[in-house]
Amino acid sequence: AQSVAQPEDQVNVAEGNPLTVKCTYSVSGNPYLFWYVQYPNRGLQFLLKYITGDNLVKGSYGFEAEFNKSQTSFHLKKPSALVSDSALYFCAVRDGGSGNTGKLIFGQGTTLQVKP
Amino acid sequence: DSGVTQTPKHLITATGQRVTLRCSPRSGDLSVYWYQQSLDQGLQFLIQYYNGEERAKGNILERFSAQQFPDLHSELNLSSLELGDSALYFCASSSRSRVAFDTQYFGPGTRLTVL
Repeated sequence: AQSVAQPEDQVNVAEGNPLTVKCTYSVSGNPYLFWYVQYPNRGLQFLLKYITGDNLVKGSYGFEAEFNKSQTSFHLKKPSALVSDSALYFCAVRDGGSGNTGKLIFGQGTTLQVKP
Repeated sequence: DSGVTQTPKHLITATGQRVTLRCSPRSGDLSVYWYQQSLDQGLQFLIQYYNGEERAKGNILERFSAQQFPDLHSELNLSSLELGDSALYFCASSSRSRVAFDTQYFGPGTRLTVL
């Protein structure tokens, strides 16, 4: 069965420091991996995705994510955090072996708190 | 702004009632997805439509139904509402392609409160 785990409910980081939000996944086929961010009372905003190719994926607002097949991980990173990055972050996976269906499996979400 | 619109923004109703949530996808997108976000279940996929036809079904209750119309907008109908149906309901859409790694763009959601 497909699953996504975000092991940290909350990540705290000081402004200007690097940040990492962790995600691990389990799928039977090739994984398609996504990161979304949710600000209070807003919908989910797409940040980046991994399909194939380069393991380091660059996305919106200076975020990037590293795909590691052996560790089945897709951690979200940013070299220098901003207070405005404080939000709820979701990792999601779609199983490439599940056919052309759109079912995204989401992790439970990680709250990122960036303090000035 | 993702280009996906959802109405209404908020909905307050009583147990046993029926409501309809509406979604308009981004211009040109053929696929529409519905998700439910609740505190205890997190974000759960409900159902997907592609060009008017049901493509995939997730954890959608029998009391819930959806459809996609010829103009590609979609409606999610929730009936015999229970307190536990209170949640944020998101609609998402993706591009013309049927490829599985298409990005889904989410609307702002409809917050349903069942009293």
